[in-house]
Amino acid sequence: DVKVTQSSRYLVKRTGEKVFLECVQDMDHENMFWYRQDPGLGLRLIYFSYDVKMKEKGDIPEGYSVSREKKERFSLILESASTNQTSMYLCASRGPRDRALNQPQHFGDGTRLSIL
Amino acid sequence: RKEVEQDPGPFNVPEGATVAFNCTYSNSASQSFFWYRQDCRKEPKLLMSVYSSGNEDGRFTAQLNRASQYISLLIRDSKLSDSATYLCVVNSIPVTGGTSYGKLTFGQGTILTVHP
Repeated sequence: DVKVTQSSRYLVKRTGEKVFLECVQDMDHENMFWYRQDPGLGLRLIYFSYDVKMKEKGDIPEGYSVSREKKERFSLILESASTNQTSMYLCASRGPRDRALNQPQHFGDGTRLSIL
Repeated sequence: RKEVEQDPGPFNVPEGATVAFNCTYSNSASQSFFWYRQDCRKEPKLLMSVYSSGNEDGRFTAQLNRASQYISLLIRDSKLSDSATYLCVVNSIPVTGGTSYGKLTFGQGTILTVHP
């Protein structure tokens, strides 16, 4: 089974802090994703990466950046946390790239981030 | 118009009932389709892929209608444990540039509650 591990289940930070959310997958997948999920808004894609050092903006990238230095790890960075970034953050992986069209995504457990 | 639309429900049904969810998608170039299940405060998990000819997995049947651009999920003999949010997911090919694998687009989900 695919294992996607997020570093924290619950996290509380203060406004203005730089926040790092880490995600690791063990299936050698090329594709990795960061979403946030809010009541009434569903899952929204923040950023995704289809290879090491490659990244593309999703639907709501503002206020976020990402890092993919190693294939198994995809980090989401809140440069200066704000209260409207309080949310559930979900990491996912998918692959391999050449057969990705028929592959589902596998999610981590999620990180509930609160910005005070 | 949203790329993927679902009736948010909630659907409240008694145990043993048959319930059906529909989902419409706007991108005719969509290539693959999935149903995910999400329990309260948990990550989405793949329920089943949806194939062109329709497919069944136990009490669950998924169908795809490309001409009308909708997919459906039928649950027979509902169980209490079926209570969850069901997410319709579509994989579309980018129209211009970007990566070749496409990205998954999630509907907002349909809430199902099965009661005794």
